Amino acid sequence: GENVEQHPSTLSVQEGDSAVIKCTYSDSASNYFPWYKQELGKGPQLIIDIRSNVGEKKDQRIAVTLNKTAKHFSLHITETQPEDSAVYFCAASPTDSWGKLQFGAGTQVVVTP
Amino acid sequence: NAGVMQNPRHLVRRRGQEARLRCSPMKGHSHVYWYRQLPEEGLKFMVYLQKENIIDESGMPKERFSAEFPKEGPSILRIQQVVRGDSAAYFCASSPSGGRNEKLFFGSGTQLSVL
Repeated sequence: GENVEQHPSTLSVQEGDSAVIKCTYSDSASNYFPWYKQELGKGPQLIIDIRSNVGEKKDQRIAVTLNKTAKHFSLHITETQPEDSAVYFCAASPTDSWGKLQFGAGTQVVVTP
Repeated sequence: NAGVMQNPRHLVRRRGQEARLRCSPMKGHSHVYWYRQLPEEGLKFMVYLQKENIIDESGMPKERFSAEFPKEGPSILRIQQVVRGDSAAYFCASSPSGGRNEKLFFGSGTQLSVL
C-alpha cells in the first residue's frame, strides 16, 4: 500500500520568511496530492491540492510542487504570518481509492512575530 | 451553509462501555469517510460509506468497531467495549459524489477519552 513520509516534524520560522514542507510517497500509481491545515481543536482544512498531470500549482502565498519521477511533493508558504501557525498534513491518494487518503505524520509550523 | 457536523465534540467512556460518534455530512454530500488520529500522528482511514452501504472498511478493526450511514439521519461510528487504546480523535469527512480524487471536507472531530 501507499506510504507517505513528511519532513520536518516541526518548523519554526520568522514572520515574513518562507516555509517549506516536503513529502515523499511510495506508490507510483498515486495521482492526487492534497495538503491540509489543522488548527488546534479543529478538523483538517484543505488548503491546496495537486494532481499528477501538473508539476506546480499556486494560490496566493501557497504553492505546491510535484516531482513524479522522484515521488515527492512540497508545500511552500511565502511571507508567513502568525495565522499560518498550525499543523500541516500532506496526503496521497492512489488511483483505485475513493477518498482513501494516506496522510503524512504532520508538520507543526510556528511563525514567530 | 453548514459544514460537516460531528457530535459530541468530546466523549469520555470507561473501559468496557460503548461509544457512539455521529456525523452529518455537508448539505448535498452523500459520501462519508471516517478517519482516526492518534496523538502526534496523521489521520488513518477507517471506513467509507454511502447511504445504506459500506463501500470500503479496510481500515477498520475487525472487532468492536462498526459504522453505518442510514437512509435518514447521520452516519454513526460505534465502538463496543472500549479500551484505552481507542482514545483518539475521530474525524468524519464528506464528499459530493465519491469520485476518484474528490476533495474531502472534514468535520471538527470527536475526541474520545477512555478512562
